[in-house]
Amino acid sequence: QSALTQPASVSGSPGQSVTISCTGTSSDIGGYNYVSWYQQHSDKAPKLMIYDVSFRPSGISNRFSGSKSGNTASLTISGLQAEDEADYYCSSYTSSSTRVFGGGTKLTVL
Amino acid sequence: QVQLVESGGGVVQPGRSLRLSCAASGFTFSSYDVHWVRQAPGKGLEWVAVILFDGSNKYYGDSVKGRFTISRDNSKNTMFLQMNSLRAEDSAVYFCAKASASGAYFDYWGQGSLVTVSS
Repeated sequence: QSALTQPASVSGSPGQSVTISCTGTSSDIGGYNYVSWYQQHSDKAPKLMIYDVSFRPSGISNRFSGSKSGNTASLTISGLQAEDEADYYCSSYTSSSTRVFGGGTKLTVL
Repeated sequence: QVQLVESGGGVVQPGRSLRLSCAASGFTFSSYDVHWVRQAPGKGLEWVAVILFDGSNKYYGDSVKGRFTISRDNSKNTMFLQMNSLRAEDSAVYFCAKASASGAYFDYWGQGSLVTVSS
């Protein structure tokens, strides 16, 4: 159950776009369309942003989008806003019926 | 509205036990899988365990397998995490999370309960 691999940090200026990658294996990301993304502000509970690779829950801005290619999933945030500054985590279902998270990516809005 | 409220956290000595509870409301608890996820201070999220909607199956992360036990009481809309043989590295905020209808992702989270393992 190794954690999924995410960059430790990304940054962008307001209005720009950033992409966060999440790399796993064929036993998790590559094997299922069950990748989800969570936003976490300091000392808060995580919040679902993307599910099943590319679907947005009700109320989530269309500035957030998700995709997957092979064993790597990606979260793209367009039109960056100050409120987007947070930690982002990917997660996947696994072949063992467990779940696995990425190590998290700190997004800084410059 | 969906609510998940964790309780039972606190300070415990290494090697001792602690039981966390997660009280659910606002949805049909007995129809959904529920998970525990933890976050050590300043660290990322770590998946801990899941129990299926009817309690028929349970799965655990490697770091807690054999020491932690997840359970639920659908008559009381409550989930539990029995933590035995606690170690310093188990110190974390423990979140309970409701699974989606498909079971594939976490659609609602509690606010967390802090567990500190220290002598």
